Amino acid sequence: GAGVSQSPSNKVTEKGKDVELRCDPISGHTALYWYRQSLGQGLEFLIYFQGNSAPDKSGLPSDRFSAERTGGSVSTLTIQRTQQEDSAVYLCASSFFNYDTEAFFGQGTRLTVV
Amino acid sequence: QQQVKQSPQSLIVQKGGISIINCAYENTAFDYFPWYQQFPGKGPALLIAIRPDVSEKKEGRFTISFNKSAKQFSLHIMDSQPGDSATYFCAASIEGVGGGADGLTFGKGTHLIIQP
Repeated sequence: GAGVSQSPSNKVTEKGKDVELRCDPISGHTALYWYRQSLGQGLEFLIYFQGNSAPDKSGLPSDRFSAERTGGSVSTLTIQRTQQEDSAVYLCASSFFNYDTEAFFGQGTRLTVV
Repeated sequence: QQQVKQSPQSLIVQKGGISIINCAYENTAFDYFPWYQQFPGKGPALLIAIRPDVSEKKEGRFTISFNKSAKQFSLHIMDSQPGDSATYFCAASIEGVGGGADGLTFGKGTHLIIQP
């Protein structure tokens, strides 16, 4: 596609439910990143994929969070047993392999846990 | 521990003025420093980036100044326009194992308003 696509754009879920957020990166981009943006806060790094492997999972805030990437393309971020503090905008970005190439961001998924 | 500190949190500048946003970092291993611009409801978009082997980079009205010894870098927007009103994030990263990029560490952002 022309850009990084994220779905859904908005998600309202009840506390305790599981949610899945999807990211479709730019074709050919081998690196894929997930960030979380809370109101009034910066972007918090969650996880990074190089191809299908995730060399850095250090940013995942708890074991309720997991992510996978298949076929070196689409990635899903899963949050189990959602809590109100999980409410945020979840942003996905992708880039080519080299470290100083531009990371392109999607528009994000706004998650609200009620 | 916040590794990239950004200031100010918010900034109001008159049209035609110079907007200046500052960032300081702690980790001397950082070697890539981009600035991102974010409009409401949109994802951040790369504005300009610098590596520590240069002290300044200019692209149009946007300039990054970099001071390696002080571990500081700043964004200057010359002739600021109402269309520049957005949230600006500084960031830093380290070249990862095998040459791939680790995640960017972002500052908390500056909400810039350019008054007409």
